[in-house]
Amino acid sequence: DVKVTQSSRYLVKRTGEKVFLECVQDMDHENMFWYRQDPGLGLRLIYFSYDVKMKEKGDIPEGYSVSREKKERFSLILESASTNQTSMYLCASSLDRWVYGYTFGSGTRLTVV
Amino acid sequence: SQQGEEDPQALSIQEGENATMNCSYKTSINNLQWYRQNSGRGLVHLILIRSNEREKHSGRLRVTLDTSKKSSSLLITASRAADTASYFCATVSTGNQFYFGTGTSLTVIP
Repeated sequence: DVKVTQSSRYLVKRTGEKVFLECVQDMDHENMFWYRQDPGLGLRLIYFSYDVKMKEKGDIPEGYSVSREKKERFSLILESASTNQTSMYLCASSLDRWVYGYTFGSGTRLTVV
Repeated sequence: SQQGEEDPQALSIQEGENATMNCSYKTSINNLQWYRQNSGRGLVHLILIRSNEREKHSGRLRVTLDTSKKSSSLLITASRAADTASYFCATVSTGNQFYFGTGTSLTVIP
């Protein structure tokens, strides 16, 4: 089974801090994604990547950046955390999301205080 | 919005009963996917139904798709307490746009 591992289940950070959310998948998928999930808003795509060192903006990229130095690892970076970035962050990978859908990690609940 | 919208938003049933949740969408689709999310966890892919399919089964899950009405339903038969979760539909449009709905929260009472 594909495993997508997010490094932290819960994080508490201060406003203005630089925050790194790490995601690793073990099935050699080329496609990786970062979503955030908020009550009433569903899942919103932040960034995605189809290959190493490649990134594409999703629907809500403002305030975020990503890094994909290795195929198995996709990091989400909050350059200067703000309280409105308090959310559940979900990483996913896919062989082909149009055909097979996503495999998600367990999520990181980030609180910015 | 092109998102799928689930209905009802919340559903509470007794163990052993069937649970039905619906998803409506606005655009033409290539396929529609259903996911489950246990509280505080990531989403798990349950089933994918293509636009040329009308019904699909997987264990206790039955998914139907009516492209003329732009709607899909997920039926869970003989529900168990472990089925308590949120269920999301996701639509893959013919323009390769991928959207999640806002989910149905299912509670199965033992």
